[in-house]
Amino acid sequence: GENVEQHPSTLSVQEGDSAVIKCTYSDSASNYFPWYKQELGKRPQLIIDIRSNVGEKKDQRIAVTLNKTAKHFSLHITETQPEDSAVYFCASGWGYSTLTFGKGTMLLVSP
Amino acid sequence: GAVVSQHPSWVICKSGTSVKIECRSLDFQATTMFWYRQFPKQSLMLMATSNEGSKATYEQGVEKDKFLINHASLTLSTLTVTSAHPEDSSFYICSARGFRTGNHSNQPQHFGDGTRLSIL
Repeated sequence: GENVEQHPSTLSVQEGDSAVIKCTYSDSASNYFPWYKQELGKRPQLIIDIRSNVGEKKDQRIAVTLNKTAKHFSLHITETQPEDSAVYFCASGWGYSTLTFGKGTMLLVSP
Repeated sequence: GAVVSQHPSWVICKSGTSVKIECRSLDFQATTMFWYRQFPKQSLMLMATSNEGSKATYEQGVEKDKFLINHASLTLSTLTVTSAHPEDSSFYICSARGFRTGNHSNQPQHFGDGTRLSIL
């Protein structure tokens, strides 16, 4: 089955800095890569996603890049703010069907 | 975005009790619903996948007789933890994907708020 590796497990940055979280996947058939943000005790929220037919997607301060050849994708957050602090999960799947999640990255943004 | 409602948000009950958790898609038709379990500071572990009108598909190691899943309509799936024991205590989250009512736009997975289950 699919295996998703996510790094780093924790990431501390200063407010205003950029943050990058990286994931790799194993199944070359995967074509959908969402990122979820989960605040403590709350639901995971979809923040951005990318399909395999594009290499990059941007939404204001967040962007995702995908390298299908290398089977890795990354989340980039620029101008980080304290409210960006949360656990971020990457995931991989085919279509919108079953997703395999990474282990998560706890992002801490210090004011 | 699409809304998924999950109830109850927390349950505390005695060992041996059966607990039912509901997951509803409020503004789209959920052709598929997923049930996850999440331990503190860990990732989401898929327990089972249910397609509307079909039997659920359980992941390896998940007891189907312990975790009963029903997905009888396009807007509702239920997870029943039967004869719950302390080791079943966890955070259970559902998610749903499907088609938005009206324009039939394909919807990615959206999560419910989760249910914190504590078995004494």
